[in-house]
Amino acid sequence: GQNIDQPTEMTATEGAIVQINCTYQTSGFNGLFWYQQHAGEAPTFLSYNVLDGLEEKGRFSSFLSRSKGYSYLLLKELQMKDSASYLCAVREEDNAGNMLTFGGGTRLMVKP
Amino acid sequence: EPEVTQTPSHQVTQMGQEVILRCVPISNHLYFYWYRQILGQKVEFLVSFYNNEISEKSEIFDDQFSVERPDGSNFTLKIRSTKLEDSAMYFCASSRVGPGANVLTFGAGSRLTVL
Repeated sequence: GQNIDQPTEMTATEGAIVQINCTYQTSGFNGLFWYQQHAGEAPTFLSYNVLDGLEEKGRFSSFLSRSKGYSYLLLKELQMKDSASYLCAVREEDNAGNMLTFGGGTRLMVKP
Repeated sequence: EPEVTQTPSHQVTQMGQEVILRCVPISNHLYFYWYRQILGQKVEFLVSFYNNEISEKSEIFDDQFSVERPDGSNFTLKIRSTKLEDSAMYFCASSRVGPGANVLTFGAGSRLTVL
């Protein structure tokens, strides 16, 4: 079966760094995605990892370890607008359908 | 920046009625998807569509559901005989072929409320 786990909620302070973890157990693996979703809005793409290691994109970085079934999203210099849910999603197969299986999301609250 | 457009933004319907949700994917994208998110729950895959046919579908996407690309721009999700449990936000998404094909761009969603 498929299992993607993330913490339900996290709280951090403006200007700080926060790490959101994601562990997965899936029958196949062909990439892990992080999406940001503000309340009532669509998920927006943040990052994609298919090989082990760190991908950096401005204030956001994402790390993947395939052998451990583990990823994290690192947010630096937190801003109030970063308060949102962060969704970890796994693409299981290399096919045209690009089906993503999502975790439940981590709701991040950034406080002043 | 190109975006995926969905209509209606919110639809209220009576149980048993048929609903059609519409999407205009990004113009140079060739893969289209429907996902749904029941309030407070995770985003769930429904169906993917490529080259005028379904390429993958989930267990949720049973005979009650159908998709269609009636013309060169629209992509629709039809839900027949709606049930209370169909109440959810329905997201359309699209992606490219080739470089960047992995990245899905989601629309703003259509909130369906079944009474």
